[in-house]
Amino acid sequence: AQSVTQLDSQVPVFEEAPVELRCNYSSSVSVYLFWYVQYPNQGLQLLLKYLSGSTLVESINGFEAEFNKSQTSFHLRKPSVHISDTAEYFCAVRRKAAGNKLTFGGGTRVLVKP
Amino acid sequence: NAGVTQTPKFRVLKTGQSMTLLCAQDMNHEYMYWYRQDPGMGLRLIHYSVGEGTTAKGEVPDGYNVSRLKKQNFLLGLESAAPSQTSVYFCASSALVLGETQYFGPGTRLLVL
Repeated sequence: AQSVTQLDSQVPVFEEAPVELRCNYSSSVSVYLFWYVQYPNQGLQLLLKYLSGSTLVESINGFEAEFNKSQTSFHLRKPSVHISDTAEYFCAVRRKAAGNKLTFGGGTRVLVKP
Repeated sequence: NAGVTQTPKFRVLKTGQSMTLLCAQDMNHEYMYWYRQDPGMGLRLIHYSVGEGTTAKGEVPDGYNVSRLKKQNFLLGLESAAPSQTSVYFCASSALVLGETQYFGPGTRLLVL
């Protein structure tokens, strides 16, 4: 079985400052990796995902994440956050070989302050 | 194209009561899922379905039942609600492609007294 650890439950950050959300996973097999975002009172939306190829993946709104196989990490970063980035962010993994079930981390709540 | 919809949005139950949560998707997806979200625990998979007429248990299936009689609908039932089932429930769907994105509904907030 796999597991996902998001080390920070809450991250306060000032507008236009950088932010990094940490995600580590454990799995005995190869996995796909995902970051989902949940805005207040909404469902989850895919932010970005790593399936194969370049280990650095980017989203359309300026986030990026890097897959590090040796450290089993998939940290999410943004160089300059906006107020609208206030949300909860979830890291998730899925085994490549079996089904389409996701295992989620506990989530990191990002609060962007003006 | 509404995506994934859930009804109801909010419900209050008394312990021992039963209810059914409805999930509908209009994307012709094969896979459908039910999750519960609790503070600090992320989302945990309750049950899922890989196609019409098939269901399987997830990580936390106890106290819940599901049915997938039509491809577009996935029902989650609570036969005898307990306070421990107070949570936010999310339905999701995905296509039959490895690594495919799961699309989530807006959630149902359930309070069991």
